[in-house]
Amino acid sequence: AQKITQTQPGMFVQEKEAVTLDCTYDTSDPSYGLFWYKQPSSGEMIFLIYQGSYDQQNATEGRYSLNFQKARKSANLVISASQLGDSAMYFCAMRETFGNEKLTFGTGTRLTIIP
Amino acid sequence: EAQVTQNPRYLITVTGKKLTVTCSQNMNHEYMSWYRQDPGLGLRQIYYSMNVEATDKGDVPEGYKVSRKEKRNFPLILESPSPNQTSLYFCASSLSRLAGGTDTQYFGPGTRLTVL
Repeated sequence: AQKITQTQPGMFVQEKEAVTLDCTYDTSDPSYGLFWYKQPSSGEMIFLIYQGSYDQQNATEGRYSLNFQKARKSANLVISASQLGDSAMYFCAMRETFGNEKLTFGTGTRLTIIP
Repeated sequence: EAQVTQNPRYLITVTGKKLTVTCSQNMNHEYMSWYRQDPGLGLRQIYYSMNVEATDKGDVPEGYKVSRKEKRNFPLILESPSPNQTSLYFCASSLSRLAGGTDTQYFGPGTRLTVL
């Protein structure tokens, strides 16, 4: 069975600093997709970034990048130059390749940006 | 605008009173899914649908029903709600990987349900 582990329940970071949110995963599927979602206090789930298991390069989307280390089964999210609006819950998720294409989520990290 | 919509956004009801939460997407996605979110547990899948008339159970299906009569709609039905179904519910959709689609699932805004 697939499993996502996020070991940081909460983090406090100074505004404008970079922050790394940890995510490790476990799967026996050779092909999979890794995602990060942001959930602000308003509750919606906002897609941030995606990494495919066969992608050679780390994914980047604006200030977000995904540090993908396949051998270590980690997919950490890096936010550069953090902003107050980055304060939110962040979820790492993995998608199965075949059959039920569900997302398996971690328990999330609550990030608070300090002015 | 491409989006997933859910209604209602907020609902307070009583034990045993049947309710339906609607979900609709305008992106012609084959795959749709319902998740519930509870504190400390992340999101867990309730039901999913690979296409019209093709639905199946996820990880926590007890107490829920779904239907997929049209590609765009995927309602979640609670025949006899109980307090342990108090939760935040999300509908999501995506192109199917089997159809050669991309991986990203797009989420609706969520429905906050309270069962008294």
